[in-house]
Amino acid sequence: GENVEQHPSTLSVQEGDSAVIKCTYSDSASNYFPWYKQELGKGPQLIIDIRSNVGEKKDQRIAVTLNKTAKHFSLHITETQPEDSAVYFCAAAGNNRLAFGKGNQVVVIP
Amino acid sequence: DAGVIQSPRHEVTEMGQEVTLRCKPISGHNSLFWYRQTMMRGLELLIYFNNNVPIDDSGMPEDRFSAKMPNASFSTLKIQPSEPRDSAVYFCASTALAGGLDEQFFGPGTRLTVL
Repeated sequence: GENVEQHPSTLSVQEGDSAVIKCTYSDSASNYFPWYKQELGKGPQLIIDIRSNVGEKKDQRIAVTLNKTAKHFSLHITETQPEDSAVYFCAAAGNNRLAFGKGNQVVVIP
Repeated sequence: DAGVIQSPRHEVTEMGQEVTLRCKPISGHNSLFWYRQTMMRGLELLIYFNNNVPIDDSGMPEDRFSAKMPNASFSTLKIQPSEPRDSAVYFCASTALAGGLDEQFFGPGTRLTVL
C-alpha cells in the first residue's frame, strides 16, 4: 500500500518567515495530495489539496508543489503568523485509499 | 450544518470492558472513515464505508474491533474487550464523494483511555 513520509518532524520559524514541509510517497498511481492542519484538541482540517494534473497550487499564504517524477510534494507557508502553529499532515491517495504522513509540528515564534 | 458529530468526547474505561464510539456524518455525505491517532503511529485509517457498505477494513487491528453503519446518518466503532494499548484518539470523518478522494471533514474525536 501507499507509504507517506514527512520531514522534518518539528519545525520552528520566526514570525514572518516562511515554513516548508516536505512529503514523499511510494505509490506512483497516487493522484490526490491533500494537506491537513490539526490544532490542539481538534480534528484535522483540510487547508489545501492538489491533484496530479497540476504541479503547483496557491491559496493566499499557502502553496503546494508536486513533483510526480520524484514522488514528493511540499507545503509552503509564507509570512507565518502565530495562528499557523499546529500539526500539519500530508496525505496521498493510492488504490482509492488515503494514507497520511505522521505529521509535522510547526511552531511560529512571535 | 453542525459538521461531523462524535460521542462521547472522552471515555475512560477499564481493561476488558466494551467500548462503543459513535459518529454522525455530515448529512448527504456518501463516505465515512474511522481513524485512530497515537503519538507513535500517527493517524491510521481503520475502516471506511461507501454508501453504508464497508469497503476496506484492512486497518482494523484485530477481531476485538468492529464497525457498523446501519444507515447513512450513523456509525459505531466497537472495541470488545478493550485493552490499554487501545488508548488513543479516535476520529470519524466523512466526504461528499464516495471513495474519499475529496475533502474529508473530521469530527472532534473521542479520546479513549483504557486503564
